[in-house]
Amino acid sequence: KNQVEQSPQSLIILEGKNCTLQCNYTVSPFSNLRWYKQDTGRGPVSLTIMTFSENTKSNGRYTATLDADTKQSSLHITASQLSDSASYICVVSAASGTYKYIFGTGTRLKVLA
Amino acid sequence: EPEVTQTPSHQVTQMGQEVILRCVPISNHLYFYWYRQILGQKVEFLVSFYNNEISEKSEIFDDQFSVERPDGSNFTLKIRSTKLEDSAMYFCASSEHSQETQYFGPGTRLLVL
Repeated sequence: KNQVEQSPQSLIILEGKNCTLQCNYTVSPFSNLRWYKQDTGRGPVSLTIMTFSENTKSNGRYTATLDADTKQSSLHITASQLSDSASYICVVSAASGTYKYIFGTGTRLKVLA
Repeated sequence: EPEVTQTPSHQVTQMGQEVILRCVPISNHLYFYWYRQILGQKVEFLVSFYNNEISEKSEIFDDQFSVERPDGSNFTLKIRSTKLEDSAMYFCASSEHSQETQYFGPGTRLLVL
């Protein structure tokens, strides 16, 4: 069964600190992996998209990694800001002719001053 | 900056009634999507649409659901006979190409009584 699991479920850090969020998936055949940021009550905003051949991709203070062999990804946030407080969602796209999108449950990040 | 818009922002309906949720994707985008998010749960893929037809749909997208692009700008999701469990936030998204960044709208919060 295609699944995406994220950890931790929630995380509290102090402003200025770094953190790393994890995503494990069992999606096959794999097409790509996306990380989104979702503020409460708002639509998700894309941070990164990685295909099978990409190991790392950065978007400002966000750096995503992908290990397609172990089916793991991480999202590293550097020098966190209060505005980083949100849910971070890992989404894996399954390619079987057309594409389905399997969402993780997200990691809820709270950045404190 | 172009953005996806959705109307209405909130909709309350009685069980068994039909509802139509409207979306205006970004103008040069060719791929359109509907997702839903039940309160407190993860985002779920419903359907993708390209070239005036459904390209993929999930198990959730049963005969009660339909999508349409009635003109050159709108993309609609119709629920024929709403059930209590259809209460959720519904997000529309669009992308220029199939496996590129999807841009989400702000969502329509549907409450079925």
